[in-house]
Amino acid sequence: SQQGEEDPQALSIQEGENATMNCSYKTSINNLQWYRQNSGRGLVHLILIRSNEREKHSGRLRVTLDTSKKSSSLLITASRAADTASYFCATDASDRGSTLGRLYFGRGTQLTVWP
Amino acid sequence: GAGVSQSPSNKVTEKGKDVELRCDPISGHTALYWYRQSLGQGLEFLIYFQGNSAPDKSGLPSDRFSAERTGGSVSTLTIQRTQQEDSAVYLCASSLIQGNSPLHFGNGTRLTVT
Repeated sequence: SQQGEEDPQALSIQEGENATMNCSYKTSINNLQWYRQNSGRGLVHLILIRSNEREKHSGRLRVTLDTSKKSSSLLITASRAADTASYFCATDASDRGSTLGRLYFGRGTQLTVWP
Repeated sequence: GAGVSQSPSNKVTEKGKDVELRCDPISGHTALYWYRQSLGQGLEFLIYFQGNSAPDKSGLPSDRFSAERTGGSVSTLTIQRTQQEDSAVYLCASSLIQGNSPLHFGNGTRLTVT
């Protein structure tokens, strides 16, 4: 079964608005990563947050991690039409010995930003 | 090369035929992953190579699927006797080391089995 699950499945906003996407996971992790995928392309890494971190920023991106709730959020501020893409969270699994190194991806959130 | 390269970008094959998908990772990356993405779905882990260690094949859906990584670089994913449910985008990714390194993805091979 998949480790990470994003919420909502789809999000539609206007340019300039903020977009918030959530990710929940099931097991203990070492880190959580967010990726972006444009239609017909591979995934592009956005940001990595370690299990001992609570918040991380990169440009217009803000990621939070709550290990007690096993959840993370990705906030994109002042969104642009070019931010339209699918966003995925990915987790490793710190308590799955032989599967260390494998990343578990959710189904993603499809973000549409209207100009 | 500058990034992960996958070939072919598109492959249409008849049911029952074998197919080979190729992945050229970023030079120096020791970890290589294959994932499968069906329409509207997340990424399904298939197989993971790390250096000279035995690969983690636990995600391969059946014995029709196999993968090799020659010389610690190029990898080939082979699907024998393809079936319609094998239709998907097959994504390859590489990273410097396992764990805390981000994955660099290729653009995938879109496989259609008719």
